[in-house]
Amino acid sequence: GEQVEQLPSILRVQEGSSASINCSYEDSASNYFPWYKQEPGENPKLIIDIRSNMERKQIQELIVLLDKKAKRFSLHITDTQPGDSAMYFCAASGYAQGLTFGLGTRVSVFP
Amino acid sequence: GGIITQTPKFLIGQEGQKLTLKCQQNFNHDTMYWYRQDSGKGLRLIYYSITENDLQKGDLSEGYDASREKKSSFSLTVTSAQKNEMAVFLCASSDGQGGTEVFFGKGTRLTVV
Repeated sequence: GEQVEQLPSILRVQEGSSASINCSYEDSASNYFPWYKQEPGENPKLIIDIRSNMERKQIQELIVLLDKKAKRFSLHITDTQPGDSAMYFCAASGYAQGLTFGLGTRVSVFP
Repeated sequence: GGIITQTPKFLIGQEGQKLTLKCQQNFNHDTMYWYRQDSGKGLRLIYYSITENDLQKGDLSEGYDASREKKSSFSLTVTSAQKNEMAVFLCASSDGQGGTEVFFGKGTRLTVV
């Protein structure tokens, strides 16, 4: 099955700076790449996703990039705020498959 | 919007016990999933179902059974609970078989004593 690697596992950033999380996948048939944010005691919630027909997508301060040739995708949080502190998971899936998640990145934003 | 309801929220079982977790969704979604979340290990897919009475194994299906009794419900059975096992089991659903947003329930926290 699909394998997704996510780095780093822990990320500390100063408020107002950018945070970047990188993921790689193995299955070239994967065509959907969502990012989920999970706060303590809560369920994961979708924050942004990208499909294989796109290379870049932005929603407000969130930017995702997809490099299909390298099988890599990344999340960039610009102008981080305290509310961005959480666990972030990348995932990949193809048609008729469940999502395969990375191990997560714990982001902490400090003043 | 819809909601995914998981019961119970907390489950304490004994070693060797058979335990059942339940999940209901009112999104009218076709596909439902069970994931296990361990600290530091992300979310791993146990089973999923693309329609009523369908069942597909995920990477972590050994030691579990699942049942999609009707479109809105998907249950998971731990066939023999392992001592000191602690994890959160997350039920999810999506409108389609891939490439669509997956919505998660709030989870069932399992502790085996």
